[in-house]
Amino acid sequence: QVQLVDSGGGVVQPGRSLRLSCAASGFIFNTYGMHWVRQAPGKGLEWVAIIWYDGSKEYYADSVKGRFTISRDNSKNTLYLQMNSLRAEDTAVYYCAKGEYNYYLDYWGQGTLVTVSS
Amino acid sequence: DIQMTQSPSTLSASVGDRVTITCRASQSISSWLAWYQQKPGKAPKLLIYDVSSLESGVPSRFSGSGSGTEFTLTISSLQPDDFATYYCQQYNSYSWTFGPGTKVEIK
Repeated sequence: QVQLVDSGGGVVQPGRSLRLSCAASGFIFNTYGMHWVRQAPGKGLEWVAIIWYDGSKEYYADSVKGRFTISRDNSKNTLYLQMNSLRAEDTAVYYCAKGEYNYYLDYWGQGTLVTVSS
Repeated sequence: DIQMTQSPSTLSASVGDRVTITCRASQSISSWLAWYQQKPGKAPKLLIYDVSSLESGVPSRFSGSGSGTEFTLTISSLQPDDFATYYCQQYNSYSWTFGPGTKVEIK
């Protein structure tokens, strides 16, 4: 069965960096686009980024463009989100999700909490 | 970028009620519209994609319809397990956007 396990969250000071990981299993990882979606405490879902199945294309939300980088290692079935210049408003639970036709998200990780605070 | 709105933001209903949630896009999104259910502390779950296609394993009391800029999610007979928050999501021209959500509460 499809399984996505998010990790790497924690408390970080404003301006610092953090890298999230998402370990995938149960499907052919290198044939699917993958997304990151976040949810601030008590708020709705915000799409963050997508990476094509082969890593050839990436797209980002305007709110994170230039600060966050999505990447993947298909040999390790792992998705990453490098988050730089973190701000208080980046505080959220971050979910990785498997993309279907690069459009809808059919499986989600359990989420990892990132708290940006001094 | 395309903006999504949902109405109502909160809905109070009883078990057995027919419930309809509306999602509107700021411009036409063809059929690239999905619906998700999220319960507190849990990851979202895909319910419907391509406006009206039911994801495998989702009960048939859930249905979706609409086109262009206006879409609906209907629960034909609300069950105790359905009290949750529902989000629509669109894709258009390398832009992915979620609606603000509709919380379905027990009346």
